[in-house]
Amino acid sequence: AQSVTQLDSHVSVSEGTPVLLRCNYSSSYSPSLFWYVQHPNKGLQLLLKYTSAATLVKGINGFEAEFKKSETSFHLTKPSAHMSDAAEYFCVVFNDYKLSFGAGTTVTVRA
Amino acid sequence: EAGVAQSPRYKIIEKRQSVAFWCNPISGHATLYWYQQILGQGPKLLIQFQNNGVVDDSQLPKDRFSAERLKGVDSTLKIQPAKLEDSAVYLCASSHGRNTEAFFGQGTRLTVV
Repeated sequence: AQSVTQLDSHVSVSEGTPVLLRCNYSSSYSPSLFWYVQHPNKGLQLLLKYTSAATLVKGINGFEAEFKKSETSFHLTKPSAHMSDAAEYFCVVFNDYKLSFGAGTTVTVRA
Repeated sequence: EAGVAQSPRYKIIEKRQSVAFWCNPISGHATLYWYQQILGQGPKLLIQFQNNGVVDDSQLPKDRFSAERLKGVDSTLKIQPAKLEDSAVYLCASSHGRNTEAFFGQGTRLTVV
């Protein structure tokens, strides 16, 4: 069985400050993990992926995530938020053909 | 490389009517998914194909929803008859193989009135 829990439904940050989006997963096997972003009225775009290589994964637009097996976590971070980062973010686990989404975290960025 | 194509982008129908959505995955992608995303929620998997075979349809309301993937390429998702609670964005995605990232289309926004 597998599931994904995004610990924050909404995160609000000031422009230029760090962003942290938390994700915990459960999986019977060694999973592949992804973060996707969805801007209003847009499709889902892949930010980054972990597929059992380096545990610190760098993605697009300055985002990165660290896979911690002992904590079953895959948190997404960005050192300095930009207004264009306002969007919905989904943590996704992919294991044995099944792709499961978290409930999502809405990020708002204050000027 | 062309992305996942979906049509139509928007559809408004009355309850009890039928509707069909079309998806053309990225060329060479064996796995195709249909997701339902209700406003404010994460996408929920409806059905997953591997080539033209169904891998998972456990969350597909089979009394009203059906999907097919003829020849392992294009896919259609049908709802008949539609209910108000079917109002959502229907997303199609494809991936090259096992445990690789999925690429999503723009989705079809369905409104049932």
